[in-house]
Amino acid sequence: GAGVSQSPSNKVTEKGKDVELRCDPISGHTALYWYRQSLGQGLEFLIYFQGNSAPDKSGLPSDRFSAERTGGSVSTLTIQRTQQEDSAVYLCASSLVRTQPQHFGDGTRLSIL
Amino acid sequence: GIQVEQSPPDLILQEGANSTLRCNFSDSVNNLQWFHQNPWGQLINLFYIPSGTKQNGRLSATTVATERYSLLYISSSQTTDSGVYFCAVEETSGSRLTFGEGTQLTVNP
Repeated sequence: GAGVSQSPSNKVTEKGKDVELRCDPISGHTALYWYRQSLGQGLEFLIYFQGNSAPDKSGLPSDRFSAERTGGSVSTLTIQRTQQEDSAVYLCASSLVRTQPQHFGDGTRLSIL
Repeated sequence: GIQVEQSPPDLILQEGANSTLRCNFSDSVNNLQWFHQNPWGQLINLFYIPSGTKQNGRLSATTVATERYSLLYISSSQTTDSGVYFCAVEETSGSRLTFGEGTQLTVNP
């Protein structure tokens, strides 16, 4: 596809369940980023991938959060034992290389009941 | 970490008016990007502008890195310009973008 693709677009789940969010970056983009945006707030950095490695995962808020990227392309963000404070829009972005403009997907709106 | 401050927090314009949005940052940066988040939540990259001036249609941006600020100019505003404008910077020591809190722009017909 032409842009960054994220799935699902919406996810509603019960507290305590695990969720997986998927990001398919623009083809050829080596850098991939995950952010979180809570209601009415700015964007909070979570993790950065260069290829398959994650040189910066310092933004992950707790050890319940993890992410991986395989084949230098698709990435999944996993949240274990979800809590209500995890409710937010999770946004993925990619760029050709780190120092180039970032392009965002439409996000996954996660609601924890 | 680096601090990013945007002003004004809210701005209401009549269609056709011009406006200037400001972004101040507290430390040296590798790059600076401006984004527009439309009312449907989509984030669009407007400018990648670590320094200098760029123009794209009715929008232009200027970054003065030595003085740690950037300006986004919107001329002849249209209702479709409504949304939140974010400034984001990457510190020289890091790889992440740090976002400001945004400017909420409303353009009335």
